[in-house]
This record gives sequence, structure tokens and C-alpha cells, in this order.
Amino acid sequence: KQEVTQIPAALSVPEGENLVLNCSFTDSAIYNLQWFRQDPGKGLTSLLLIQSSQREQTSGRLNASLDKSSGRSTLYIAASQPGDSATYLCAVRGSEGGYQKVTFGTGTKLQVIP
Amino acid sequence: GAVVSQHPSWVICKSGTSVKIECRSLDFQATTMFWYRQFPKQSLMLMATSNEGSKATYEQGVEKDKFLINHASLTLSTLTVTSAHPEDSSFYICSAMGQSNQPQHFGDGTRLSIL
Repeated sequence: KQEVTQIPAALSVPEGENLVLNCSFTDSAIYNLQWFRQDPGKGLTSLLLIQSSQREQTSGRLNASLDKSSGRSTLYIAASQPGDSATYLCAVRGSEGGYQKVTFGTGTKLQVIP
Repeated sequence: GAVVSQHPSWVICKSGTSVKIECRSLDFQATTMFWYRQFPKQSLMLMATSNEGSKATYEQGVEKDKFLINHASLTLSTLTVTSAHPEDSSFYICSAMGQSNQPQHFGDGTRLSIL
């Protein structure tokens, strides 16, 4: 059974800092990994999708890497801004019992202080 | 970009009422839709996976007779919470996916409050 863990659970940084969020998963047989952000009381916004054959994806100030063999992914946020404050979730897509299944991590709550 | 519409966004109703939540993919064909439940300050918990035209696959511990899922078309899936009780109060989120190598796109969620 896939288990996805995110460290740290919460993070508070001053504006302008670069930061790294970590995601680890136990079963490396995955199709892809996706990073999301969730604002309080809202749905999820997709940030980056990394296919199992890829090593990283970049979008603006965000860079996500994937090391499938070690079961790890990192989300790097450059020059953080107060608007980046949200909960960040990673989700791993694999298969279980013949069906596709997505397992979410526990989330990292980020606060960027102006 | 791909858009998923979820309706309603907020429901308050009496215990014993059945509540239907709709999830629509507006600009792509969703071969697979997922239904999640989220409790306060917790991550998303997958409830079930539905493929168009076939029965939903429920996660362990999720009552299929309690949470009825219908995925009758490539753009619409519904979740019906039957005879809802206060313990069913939660944030329900759907997501839709086209091809398996495409990202999931999420609805904005439905906050269900059972009195």
C-alpha cells in the first residue's frame, strides 16, 4: 500500500527566501507525481506534474524534481512571496488491485511573512 | 486550461436528507473521476474512483450504499450522500482526468454540513 509523507508539516519563512518542500513515497512503481496548492476552504490548484520518466519540471518560480528510485520529490520555491502562503500537497499516481489510484501526502502548510 | 466544475459549493441540510453533488469536466472528456473527502486540517482521502460507464471502485472503509457514485457520461459524475448524518459533514472534492498521463484537475469542493 502506497504511503506518502511530506516534511515539514508546517513552515514559516520571511518573504524573499528560497525554500524546499519534501515529499516521500514508499512504492516507486508510479505513473506520475503531482504537486498542488490548497488555499483555506478551497479546492486544489495543480502546480506541476512530473511523469515517472522525467526528473524535473519547472514553472515560473517553482521547480519540482523526482527521484523515483529513492521515492522522493522536492518542490523548490524561489524568492517566496506572501501570496505563496497555502498548504502544498503532493500526490502520487500508481495502480493498486488493477485500478489507478492517487495517494495524497499529508501536506506542508507554508506561511510567508511579509 | 482544463476546468472542472463542482456544484453545489455549500450545502446545509437536516439529518436524514440525501444530498447530490455534481462534478463536470467543462472542456475535456474525463475518462476517470475521483471523489475525495477532507476533514479539517487533514489531507485528502480518496473515497472512490469512477470510470465512465462502469461501476465505481470504492476505497476500503467507504460504504458504497452510503455514497452512491454515478459516472454516466464522459463529462459528468455525481456523488449522492444518502440519508446524511452529522458525521458525514465534511469537504468533498472531485477531480477529473483524461488520459492517464495527464494531470488531475480538481473542482472547488463542496462543503457539506448536516444539522
